[in-house]
Amino acid sequence: EADIYQTPRYLVIGTGKKITLECSQTMGHDKMYWYQQDPGMELHLIHYSYGVNSTEKGDLSSESTVSRIRTEHFPLTLESARPSHTSQYLCASRETGFGPAATNEKLFFGSGTQLSVL
Amino acid sequence: AQTVTQSQPEMSVQEAETVTLSCTYDTSESDYYLFWYKQPPSRQMILVIRQEAYKQQNATENRFSVNFQKAAKSFSLKISDSQLGDAAMYFCAYKRLGAQKLVFGQGTRLTINP
Repeated sequence: EADIYQTPRYLVIGTGKKITLECSQTMGHDKMYWYQQDPGMELHLIHYSYGVNSTEKGDLSSESTVSRIRTEHFPLTLESARPSHTSQYLCASRETGFGPAATNEKLFFGSGTQLSVL
Repeated sequence: AQTVTQSQPEMSVQEAETVTLSCTYDTSESDYYLFWYKQPPSRQMILVIRQEAYKQQNATENRFSVNFQKAAKSFSLKISDSQLGDAAMYFCAYKRLGAQKLVFGQGTRLTINP
């Protein structure tokens, strides 16, 4: 089973509020990812990290920011939430391995945070 | 840019029967991975099956198998003996060798009829 956790599971907030979505994994994985997913739609990568102090923006432009101060923790922050930020945010991680091909290609996902901005 | 297309937004199947979900992708790369992920309602997304492009043999995991046609850039998922617990959104995904990100398809919602 995956040991990757996201909190909160659901969040409803007003416009202009600053929020942080938490993501933690206990598997020691170097690589972590944030995906944004609208209902019934595909996932879009918004941020990823190779390891501590390493973060990159993904394909989908996002006003959110991330940090990676510790291996296990990869929080996502919105400084000023807007209704357009309403979506599901999925965190994922995977290990960096040198074993047989594809053994380290498996992504482990958290349960997601469903964000609604009013 | 690589793209992944799932042309079936929704599929349904009777319990115990077999269903095939379609996926096509576009890439100019020769080395890559393909995946099927399952996202049950309100639950974590999990990996169902994966395929390395250099392998000609189709991957199989219990009731789940793929039909990988590299030349046609097709990667379908077959679920045999469908069970109620198979009901979920299924996402096809592509990753280039050495790349950090997965490219996901739009998903197929699978319903299992008892």
